[in-house]
Amino acid sequence: SQQGEEDPQALSIQEGENATMNCSYKTSINNLQWYRQNSGRGLVHLILIRSNEREKHSGRLRVTLDTSKKSSSLLITASRAADTASYFCATGNFGNEKLTFGTGTRLTIIP
Amino acid sequence: NAGVMQNPRHLVRRRGQEARLRCSPMKGHSHVYWYRQLPEEGLKFMVYLQKENIIDESGMPKERFSAEFPKEGPSILRIQQVVRGDSAAYFCASSPQTGRNEKLFFGSGTQLSVL
Repeated sequence: SQQGEEDPQALSIQEGENATMNCSYKTSINNLQWYRQNSGRGLVHLILIRSNEREKHSGRLRVTLDTSKKSSSLLITASRAADTASYFCATGNFGNEKLTFGTGTRLTIIP
Repeated sequence: NAGVMQNPRHLVRRRGQEARLRCSPMKGHSHVYWYRQLPEEGLKFMVYLQKENIIDESGMPKERFSAEFPKEGPSILRIQQVVRGDSAAYFCASSPQTGRNEKLFFGSGTQLSVL
């Protein structure tokens, strides 16, 4: 089963609004990452937050991590049409090398 | 610097044929990961390799699938006797030698279609 589960599965908002996506996971992690995937393309890394961090910012992105609830959120502020993509969370677990990806949120920005 | 290069971009095979997918990691990266993505789904881990070694193949089907990352040349994911259920996008990712679970750099993927 997937380690990460994002919600909502799909999200449509007007350009300029903020978009929030959530990710829940099941086991202990050493970091959590968010990736973006444009249609038909590979994934692009957006931001990484470690298990001892609670919040991180990068440009218009803000990520929070709550290890007690095993959840993370990704906030994209002042959305643009170019932000239209699928967004995936991925967890890195202690004891192994691979990242485990969630099922993704499809974000559509309406111009 | 070239990113992760995958080829071919699209591959069409008939049932029973072999599919070979190639991946050249970013320069200086010695860790390669293969993932499979079905339509409208997330990425499923298949295999993790370092040069000349398979480190974790827990996500790889036991039959028909194999992977290698030789000392020279690209990593190869081989699927023998393909079936329609193998149709998917296959993504390769690489990471540098140091740092576990650090960010991955993805290629653009190979879309495999089995007729």
